[in-house]
Amino acid sequence: NAGVMQNPRHLVRRRGQEARLRCSPMKGHSHVYWYRQLPEEGLKFMVYLQKENIIDESGMPKERFSAEFPKEGPSILRIQQVVRGDSAAYFCASSPGEIYEQYFGPGTRLTVT
Amino acid sequence: GESVGLHLPTLSVQEGDNSIINCAYSNSASDYFIWYKQESGKGPQFIIDIRSNMDKRQGQRVTVLLNKTVKHLSLQIAATQPGDSAVYFCAETEDYKLSFGAGTTVTVRA
Repeated sequence: NAGVMQNPRHLVRRRGQEARLRCSPMKGHSHVYWYRQLPEEGLKFMVYLQKENIIDESGMPKERFSAEFPKEGPSILRIQQVVRGDSAAYFCASSPGEIYEQYFGPGTRLTVT
Repeated sequence: GESVGLHLPTLSVQEGDNSIINCAYSNSASDYFIWYKQESGKGPQFIIDIRSNMDKRQGQRVTVLLNKTVKHLSLQIAATQPGDSAVYFCAETEDYKLSFGAGTTVTVRA
């Protein structure tokens, strides 16, 4: 059973460009969560999605950030017009239900130059 | 070796000894707690969880203790091995939003 998959693992973008991060949950999991981790810090919740629905996006900046989890295909975290402060590791997690253990992917390390 | 206090960022332990990693959580409404291990360049790896209706849970070489009175969580690792070197995070939640502590870096000495 494959774990949570994320790609790309590393992404370099210039300021002003767009970043697209992809996450495929574990088989059988319909709940997806995105977290951001700055160096030397713990993970911070960004958004919680189920298929075709954003359940909670309270941790996501109101501007430039968006997330989706379509009926078919991976979940996408999109960051428009990236700035240096967006440089971080972005982790996706999935779970089979809402109050269950969340399993994390390997992360995408975004560097904005 | 043992980390004490609200937050001790590093813990050095001799191979074969037991490790105790402590965590103070903030939300008294939290009813589900998870310990994660994160190795350099990787995502957090689930170790063990515990719900608030329990005060102890054991896994393979690991034990989690929960003291709701003082909002304290600990992870005990028996017979620590070099492969246990990593950053350990406790996470708490009352719904689905995991709140992570800052983490404790465990270094195992040969």
